[in-house]
Amino acid sequence: DAGVIQSPRHEVTEMGQEVTLRCKPISGHDYLFWYRQTMMRGLELLIYFNNNVPIDDSGMPEDRFSAKMPNASFSTLKIQPSEPRDSAVYFCASNKTPEQFFGPGTRLTVL
Amino acid sequence: EDQVTQSPEALRLQEGESSSLNCSYTVSGLRGLFWYRQDPGKGPEFLFTLYSAGEEKEKERLKATLTKKESFLHITAPKPEDSATYLCAVASGGQNFVFGPGTRLSVLP
Repeated sequence: DAGVIQSPRHEVTEMGQEVTLRCKPISGHDYLFWYRQTMMRGLELLIYFNNNVPIDDSGMPEDRFSAKMPNASFSTLKIQPSEPRDSAVYFCASNKTPEQFFGPGTRLTVL
Repeated sequence: EDQVTQSPEALRLQEGESSSLNCSYTVSGLRGLFWYRQDPGKGPEFLFTLYSAGEEKEKERLKATLTKKESFLHITAPKPEDSATYLCAVASGGQNFVFGPGTRLSVLP
């Protein structure tokens, strides 16, 4: 298996622009997670899905953030409009058992 | 609210110098405690899951232990390739994972 796949790996955008991050989980995994990692706040859980249904989005910082999982093999995290404080590394992870498998992350820079 | 702290923040060891990393947690009903390793520019990589006090897991030079309030990651005779950030996480109800800030380990040759 190729593991969790994320795209793009790097994204540089200007304040106010829409940003869409993409994730393909490991086949057969029924949970998908979106995390954000910064030096100041560490690794924070934003939202997670079970069988494509959002279960807990209490970590989503603002209404500017939204996530979808239209099918078992694809999820998106959208930020609209983006702000400089959204700059971070965003990770997608999936699991079937308690152990999570992380993707390589998307490094987002908002200028 | 579930909380996880880790100490030290950073640790520098000479190759072969054994030590331990600490993870202290406060959680309402521990469902599992997890250790991950993260290399620069990469996602966290799973190492261990511990479920109950007294449990121990080993993998090569690493051994993880668990008590009711904390977990230790013991590193025996480390090598430079063990240099990484080690993250601890807890899960209580559901799939809400709370991660600690990590310990940045450097092993010098």
